[in-house]
Amino acid sequence: GENVEQHPSTLSVQEGDSAVIKCTYSDSASNYFPWYKQELGKGPQLIIDIRSNVGEKKDQRIAVTLNKTAKHFSLHITETQPEDSAVYFCAADDTGGFKTIFGAGTRLFVKA
Amino acid sequence: GAGVSQSPRYKVAKRGQDVALRCDPISGHVSLFWYQQALGQGPEFLTYFQNEAQLDKSGLPSDRFFAERPEGSVSTLKIQRTQQEDSAVYLCASSLVEGLKNIQYFGAGTRLSVL
Repeated sequence: GENVEQHPSTLSVQEGDSAVIKCTYSDSASNYFPWYKQELGKGPQLIIDIRSNVGEKKDQRIAVTLNKTAKHFSLHITETQPEDSAVYFCAADDTGGFKTIFGAGTRLFVKA
Repeated sequence: GAGVSQSPRYKVAKRGQDVALRCDPISGHVSLFWYQQALGQGPEFLTYFQNEAQLDKSGLPSDRFFAERPEGSVSTLKIQRTQQEDSAVYLCASSLVEGLKNIQYFGAGTRLSVL
């Protein structure tokens, strides 16, 4: 089955700087890679996703890149703001069933 | 409702008690997922429903865990004879269409503490 690894586990940046979170996956057949943001006491919320037929997708300050050959994908947040502080999860679909496999999460701190 | 609703938000159970956790998905959503999230970890898949059919229950950790969605809308996750290792946040998510590769909308979760 699919396995997703995520790093770093904690990331601290200054307001206005960029933040990058990286993930690797094991199942070369996976073709859907969502990213979720989870704030304290809330459920995860989708912020961006990418499918395997594209290498990059951007939505305002957030971008995701996918390298299918290397089986890794990354989240890039530019011009970070204090409200970006949260836990971010990458995920991949498990092609063997109906599972979405999540990474262990990255806790992002944006210092004002 | 506007989003996925879960109840109760918090549940404290004595070891050995049975608990039932409820999920109200977004109206009209076909797919419903249950996840278990341990402290400091990502959500782990438990089970998946497409309408009332439970198509994947491979993530349920033991036969003490049981889920149902009898009319294809509200779902209940039941845990029998709770153990301390069952302590976690249980998340429910729904999606408009069947299968993966679609946006999942999560509820706020039920935090279960087993004493």
